[in-house]
Amino acid sequence: AQTVTQSQPEMSVQEAETVTLSCTYDTSENNYYLFWYKQPPSRQMILVIRQEAYKQQNATENRFSVNFQKAAKSFSLKISDSQLGDTAMYFCAFDSGGTASKLTFGTGTRLQVTL
Amino acid sequence: DADVTQTPRNRITKTGKRIMLECSQTKGHDRMYWYRQDPGLGLRLIYYSFDVKDINKGEISDGYSVSRQAQAKFSLSLESAIPNQTALYFCATSDFGRDTGELFFGEGSRLTVL
Repeated sequence: AQTVTQSQPEMSVQEAETVTLSCTYDTSENNYYLFWYKQPPSRQMILVIRQEAYKQQNATENRFSVNFQKAAKSFSLKISDSQLGDTAMYFCAFDSGGTASKLTFGTGTRLQVTL
Repeated sequence: DADVTQTPRNRITKTGKRIMLECSQTKGHDRMYWYRQDPGLGLRLIYYSFDVKDINKGEISDGYSVSRQAQAKFSLSLESAIPNQTALYFCATSDFGRDTGELFFGEGSRLTVL
């Protein structure tokens, strides 16, 4: 079974600074998908960014980017120019894709953006 | 209106009561999921369904049951609620045709069992 580990339960960053959230996973699959979801205080789950394992290029979405290291099974999220609205829980998730597709989530990192 | 709708949004009940959480979606997706969120544990999969006639247990299915009444509806039942089932429950959908694994979530149902 796949596992996803987020080793940072809480992090804090000042507004306009850059922060990196860590995620590692364990799998024997070669093709799979990785995700970062954001959960603000409203508790809605919002997709931040997605990475396909077969793509070597790291995914980016505006201020959000990932550092995908397939050999190391690492998938970190970098948030640049942090904003107060980035305050949220962030979950890393893994999906093997295909017919048995279902997401496995990490335990989350609570990010606080301060003035 | 939300694409994935959960009812109720919040519920307080007593130990031993039967509870049903309902989920409906207008996205036209075949696949539906129920997750449970607990502090420090992330989201854990309870049950999932890939079509109306397909029901599968997730990692924490004990104490729960589900019903897929139609492509758009997927209900989660707690036959006899207990306090450690107090949690935030999410319904989600995905589109197999796209095969990317992305989930689309409802707004969550917070359940408190006293």
